[in-house]
Amino acid sequence: EVQLVESGGGLVQPGGSLRLSCGASGFSFSSYGMHWVRQGTGKGLEWVSSIGTAGDPYYADSVKGRFTLSRENAKNSLYLHMNSLGAGDTAVYYCARGSDGLDVWGLGTTVTVSS
Amino acid sequence: SYELTQPPSVSVSPGQTARITCSGDALPKQYAYWYQQKPGQAPVLVIYKDTERPSGIPERLSGSSSGTTVTLTISGVQAEDEADYYCQSADISGTWVFGGGTKLTVL
Repeated sequence: EVQLVESGGGLVQPGGSLRLSCGASGFSFSSYGMHWVRQGTGKGLEWVSSIGTAGDPYYADSVKGRFTLSRENAKNSLYLHMNSLGAGDTAVYYCARGSDGLDVWGLGTTVTVSS
Repeated sequence: SYELTQPPSVSVSPGQTARITCSGDALPKQYAYWYQQKPGQAPVLVIYKDTERPSGIPERLSGSSSGTTVTLTISGVQAEDEADYYCQSADISGTWVFGGGTKLTVL
């Protein structure tokens, strides 16, 4: 079964850091671009970052310089390092597979930035 | 930055046709994708490359494109179609963008 499972969310203070992970199974992870999409409570979807098969990352302007996306194909894993977190980063973070759109999504992990 | 514009809400009665539009300057050059999201669930891809339907998606959902506007059409709307719908595309720099989302209400 094709599956993505996010982890690493939690409560963090403003200015803090967090690392999200996404574990993939059921498909050839190294053959796909991967994405993070977030959604604040009651808000719409916001694309955060993506990484191609060659490891080239792209970022939304709202997170550029603060977030770093990487992948470890040997472990079928995707990582999002988040620094200088603020209230605006509070959201459910989804990991998604890129293939003619985002065709597989995880269930999400919740990040709450609050003192 | 690149933006995609959707109506906040669309309402239709069961059996009618719902049309949800998405406008963006780059849409003539970039494909659009549509996602359905029900409360408490992750989004589901329902249309890719403007008009293609993934396996398992009902035929009553279809996509079309004309100039700077793409449209998701749901024919013979059913109660189970009530959800939020998001369009998504990309710009030439490699960054992706979602529309603001449209809440479809089945009356």
